[in-house]
Amino acid sequence: DADVTQTPRNRITKTGKRIMLECSQTKGHDRMYWYRQDPGLGLQLIYYSFDVKDINKGEISDGYSVSRQAQAKFSLSLESAIPNQTALYFCATSDSQGRDTQYFGPGTRLTVL
Amino acid sequence: GQQLNQSPQSMFIQEGEDVSMNCTSSSIFNTWLWYKQDPGEGPVLLIALYKAGELTSNGRLTAQFGITRKDSFLNISASIPSDVGIYFCAGNNDMRFGAGTRLTVKP
Repeated sequence: DADVTQTPRNRITKTGKRIMLECSQTKGHDRMYWYRQDPGLGLQLIYYSFDVKDINKGEISDGYSVSRQAQAKFSLSLESAIPNQTALYFCATSDSQGRDTQYFGPGTRLTVL
Repeated sequence: GQQLNQSPQSMFIQEGEDVSMNCTSSSIFNTWLWYKQDPGEGPVLLIALYKAGELTSNGRLTAQFGITRKDSFLNISASIPSDVGIYFCAGNNDMRFGAGTRLTVKP
């Protein structure tokens, strides 16, 4: 079983709809992250959480919100999706007690029409 | 914020050739990380570097943490077709990634 899972893997939605992307991990890591990747570009940090009560904005948080429901779960919401939020979204985890290197989920491909 | 510059943006090489790519930063990093992303997948950690001057190998891959702590390089020796993908550098000071180097290997 994968250590970091993301659901859904693919989603097509319409402008204005609310969308939630979910991430779960079985690695026991305390830190979780959401990144966005546009075609041909690198990863941009949207939000990150260092523990259940901690939420921090990344480089591109506008238009997004997150919820850390438990240590193992971190969800990303688009309150009112717009076409330029079409991208690949990755969740990642890291362990602050270890080397703090990040492990990524398989990604969610989101298309906003 | 910190800027990470990764080069080259893309490389087209023949199977068997060696490859070198690098990252530079405007600020000092405590850790340099190199990831590979296959099409449709999430990035996978290849090598992690934790000390200035550190040289670490993982099979045909070798990476070094620059003495100034502002740069790192990744070398791939004797490339093979499955090396195709996008390679990213990252520094864990603020979880930023370089823009990636897209590698194509021609058989």
